[in-house]
Amino acid sequence: GQQLNQSPQSMFIQEGEDVSMNCTSSSIFNTWLWYKQDPGEGPVLLIALYKAGELTSNGRLTAQFGITRKDSFLNISASIPSDVGIYFCAGQTLYNQGGKLIFGQGTELSVKP
Amino acid sequence: DTGVSQDPRHKITKRGQNVTFRCDPISEHNRLYWYRQTLGQGPEFLTYFQNEAQLEKSRLLSDRFSAERPKGSFSTLEIQRTEQGDSAMYLCASSLGRWGRDHEQYFGPGTRLTVT
Repeated sequence: GQQLNQSPQSMFIQEGEDVSMNCTSSSIFNTWLWYKQDPGEGPVLLIALYKAGELTSNGRLTAQFGITRKDSFLNISASIPSDVGIYFCAGQTLYNQGGKLIFGQGTELSVKP
Repeated sequence: DTGVSQDPRHKITKRGQNVTFRCDPISEHNRLYWYRQTLGQGPEFLTYFQNEAQLEKSRLLSDRFSAERPKGSFSTLEIQRTEQGDSAMYLCASSLGRWGRDHEQYFGPGTRLTVT
């Protein structure tokens, strides 16, 4: 099935460092969403973006909807151990596609205390 | 907090057996989605319902798979004659499904299926 190109695949960082990950697509999306998934659990919604160029923050998380509507990035500032997990981007097209999500392959984040 | 719930959380079955999973969406959410996630990959769309109507099915959903949402509330996903390739995490998500932020999807904890 179709998936987005998400990078990097994994990151090993020191506590307190900032993190950046991004997602690109060959298709245009109406909405970009970022989820975090812990082992054995379902994805948890972190941030949703609705307009090209939109920059949105949620605590230490900041995400942007690319101008071309084909990409998005997520930044995490001052990482802490509980940030460990897998982060997924997802694109959504509402018209004619029912709002199904197309996911990236995920970025696995490890934080060393 | 009545989030999306799924049952069972884990299922181990022998090849050839039938299995059924249940999803209870967030109350008043009109749309319900099923996704499948294999190890190291992001979730992949299987099918979705608007109330009780199944409006789209992915090509991933072979004829051994069937999903229902009979009263527009909970949904079931059945896999007949399971194969080892069906081993995956099956995720359910729901949304209000009207406009704007109402399309944000909230996921359940998933059902981990292992076919031996």
